[in-house]
Amino acid sequence: NAGVMQNPRHLVRRRGQEARLRCSPMKGHSHVYWYRQLPEEGLKFMVYLQKENIIDESGMPKERFSAEFPKEGPSILRIQQVVRGDSAAYFCASSPQRVERETQYFGPGTRLLVL
Amino acid sequence: GDSVTQMEGPVTLSEEACLTINCTYTATGYPSLFWYVQYPGEGLQLLLKATKADDKGSNKGFEATYRKETTSFHLEKGSVQVSDSAVYFCALRGEGGGADGLTFGKGTHLIIQP
Repeated sequence: NAGVMQNPRHLVRRRGQEARLRCSPMKGHSHVYWYRQLPEEGLKFMVYLQKENIIDESGMPKERFSAEFPKEGPSILRIQQVVRGDSAAYFCASSPQRVERETQYFGPGTRLLVL
Repeated sequence: GDSVTQMEGPVTLSEEACLTINCTYTATGYPSLFWYVQYPGEGLQLLLKATKADDKGSNKGFEATYRKETTSFHLEKGSVQVSDSAVYFCALRGEGGGADGLTFGKGTHLIIQP
């Protein structure tokens, strides 16, 4: 059973460009979470999605950031007009259901560098 | 809101030493508690978890006990190895509706020297 897949693993963008990060959850998992890890910091929750629905986006910046999880294909985290402060590691996690005690399984992350 | 506080690192130990990484939390009700480990250049791996008071999570020689009275979930290992060198994150998931994301501590960098 393959784990959570993320691509690309590393992404370099210039200021003002768009960054698209992809996440394929574990097989059988329909719940996806995105987190951001700034240098020397812990992970910060950004958004929680189920197929075709955003359930909780309380941690998402109000501008330039968006996320989707279509019926078919991976979840996408999109950052428009990137700035240097967006440089971070972005991790995706998945779980099979929205049960309170359910474990979240993490992917290897995408390391975004904005020049 | 919910929060997790971990001891600052880096923590440097010799092989076969005893390890304790402190973790305390603030949350209402009975959150679930987790320890994740991150090896260099990799994502987070679940190390152990506990979902109710007095539960003990254990894995690979590591243990942590959910202490409601002290709101703590300290990570312990009796004899560490060089391969345990990594960053360790304590995390919680709050109880009740809306508690979807995990709340993480800042992480503790553990360095084990041969």
